[in-house]
Amino acid sequence: DVVMTQSPLSLPVTLGQPASISCRSSQSLVYSDGNTYLSWFQQRPGQSPRRLIYKVSNRDSGVPDIFSGSGSGTDFTLKISRVEAEDLGVYYCMQGTHWPFTFGQGTRLEIK
Amino acid sequence: EVKLVESGGDLVQPGRSLRLSCIASGFNFYEYAMHWVRQAPGKGLEWVSGLSWNSGTIAYADSVKGRFTVSRDNAKNSLYLQMNSLRPEDTAFYYCVKDTLRLLSKANIDYWGQGTLVTVSS
Repeated sequence: DVVMTQSPLSLPVTLGQPASISCRSSQSLVYSDGNTYLSWFQQRPGQSPRRLIYKVSNRDSGVPDIFSGSGSGTDFTLKISRVEAEDLGVYYCMQGTHWPFTFGQGTRLEIK
Repeated sequence: EVKLVESGGDLVQPGRSLRLSCIASGFNFYEYAMHWVRQAPGKGLEWVSGLSWNSGTIAYADSVKGRFTVSRDNAKNSLYLQMNSLRPEDTAFYYCVKDTLRLLSKANIDYWGQGTLVTVSS
């Protein structure tokens, strides 16, 4: 199985400051069609996950532009340009290129 | 608006069975692959099973293979998960999840339901 490794697992941040989460896969996530099926999800306390980014860097409709995704191959990053209170929660990366589809362990974004 | 509503979660004893359902609305259900993803309380996300738009391709995580069966009824906009021989480690919230793709060769999931809680305990 493809192992997705996120870091850090806990990220204390100051409101208004940037934040960055890393996600590394144990194999390349480039599919034979040329796409890379790497997504980022946000899970606020008590809620279901919500997709923020798909195929590495495409932001979903309604997602603020403070969120951005980047990377290639096995190394990916989610950046928040300035953290707001509503951004607190757990963030997961997920690969959809190889069976079985797998998630990272999650990164908890919390107030410093 | 895409809506996915799960039901069927309950407290069951180890070794018993349970069937989860998910009713979809707000999109053409028959066009998309669908998945089940679970989350043990306070833990991370685990993909459980998925099937293509026409049920032609079905896949399971090793942890549930041989015990769980996924199915869909496109006429009823419904997704199901039959869970047999339940174990305490199957205790989790089970989410019904929509994909943006028709086939299951890869996954690009977008919308999630609110989840239904399955507790396996004696």
